[in-house]
Amino acid sequence: AQTVTQSQPEMSVQEAETVTLSCTYDTSENNYYLFWYKQPPSRQMILVIRQEAYKQQNATENRFSVNFQKAAKSFSLKISDSQLGDTAMYFCAFRYNNAGNMLTFGGGTRLMVKP
Amino acid sequence: DTAVSQTPKYLVTQMGNDKSIKCEQNLGHDTMYWYKQDSKKFLKIMFSYNNKELIINETVPNRFSPKSPDKAHLNLHINSLELGDSAVYFCASSQGLAGLYEQYFGPGTRLTVT
Repeated sequence: AQTVTQSQPEMSVQEAETVTLSCTYDTSENNYYLFWYKQPPSRQMILVIRQEAYKQQNATENRFSVNFQKAAKSFSLKISDSQLGDTAMYFCAFRYNNAGNMLTFGGGTRLMVKP
Repeated sequence: DTAVSQTPKYLVTQMGNDKSIKCEQNLGHDTMYWYKQDSKKFLKIMFSYNNKELIINETVPNRFSPKSPDKAHLNLHINSLELGDSAVYFCASSQGLAGLYEQYFGPGTRLTVT
């Protein structure tokens, strides 16, 4: 079974600065997807970015980008120009590309953006 | 328009009671899920349904019984509630079972068992 580990329970960053959240995972499979979800205090789960394992190019969505290192099984999230609205829990998640389609989540990182 | 909705958003009840949480999606998706988020924010899959059929049951106690009357609805009924059932329950849906399909989450239902 796959596992997802987020080693940073809490992080903080000054507004406008850059922060990187870490995520590692363990799997013996080769075909899968990786995600970062944001959960603000409203509790809503919001997809931030996703990466297909077969793609070598790192995914980017505006201020959010990932550093996907498949051999190292690492999938970090970089937030540039941090904004107060980025304050939230961030969850790394893994999903096989098969009929099960269940998400396995890491334990989360609580990010605080300070003014 | 709300894509995935859940009712109620908050539910406070006593041990031993039976309660239900409803979920509806208006996205035309075939697949729906229930996730549980515990007090430490850990999220874990409970059930997955595709076209009203159970696909995944992740060793959830049989006090939990999901029911899918149609593809747009997946309700969660919980019998004999226990303190440990206190959590936030998220419903989600996706276009299909394949890994490439994004899952859309509902707003969550915070269940408190006293």
